[in-house]
Amino acid sequence: GAVVSQHPSRVICKSGTSVKIECRSLDFQATTMFWYRQFPKQSLMLMATSNEGSKATYEQGVEKDKFLINHASLTLSTLTVTSAHPEDSSFYICSATGLAGGYGYTFGSGTRLTVV
Amino acid sequence: ILNVEQSPQSLHVQEGDSTNFTCSFPSSNFYALHWYRWETAKSPEALFVMTLNGDEKKKGRISATLNTKEGYSYLYIKGSQPEDSATYLCAFIQGSARQLTFGSGTQLTVLP
Repeated sequence: GAVVSQHPSRVICKSGTSVKIECRSLDFQATTMFWYRQFPKQSLMLMATSNEGSKATYEQGVEKDKFLINHASLTLSTLTVTSAHPEDSSFYICSATGLAGGYGYTFGSGTRLTVV
Repeated sequence: ILNVEQSPQSLHVQEGDSTNFTCSFPSSNFYALHWYRWETAKSPEALFVMTLNGDEKKKGRISATLNTKEGYSYLYIKGSQPEDSATYLCAFIQGSARQLTFGSGTQLTVLP
């Protein structure tokens, strides 16, 4: 079945540094990638939607200059948290849909970011 | 902002018990309702995609029903096993948008 590989699974960084999270679709072409984050005891909240080769669309309240999304190929999308602060500490997870469209969404396994 | 609610938030059952959870969502402009099973440190695993009012789907001991007119879906697990322990998420798609709006999940623990 479809697989999305997400790395790293955990990262600890110092305040003010940037962190890059990668999601790769291993056996299908991901035309659309969704990025979510989850704070403790809360739902997965959509941050942004990116289509391959296009600029990402960000949800209200998500700073596009802080959360840089690149989806330059059909198999790779990256989320870079720039100038990270402790309040950015969260669980980030990607989800991809492919050329076949339909209803299928394949998730990565998530990244736990801790900013100290 | 779409409101998708799941209940209960957490649940402990004994091995062999049957259980069910609820997902409620807006009844207007329905497109699809997804159920996922999510184990710690793994990717959420798709269980069901439900699109039609009255849908009933089954996968082994797990089944789900859908009522789009009143805006709810039930997930049932028959004869729970310890390996069923996970968080069960529902996610709603409204209209022509492709984004999933998630509930906060039901965390199931099956005690041996």
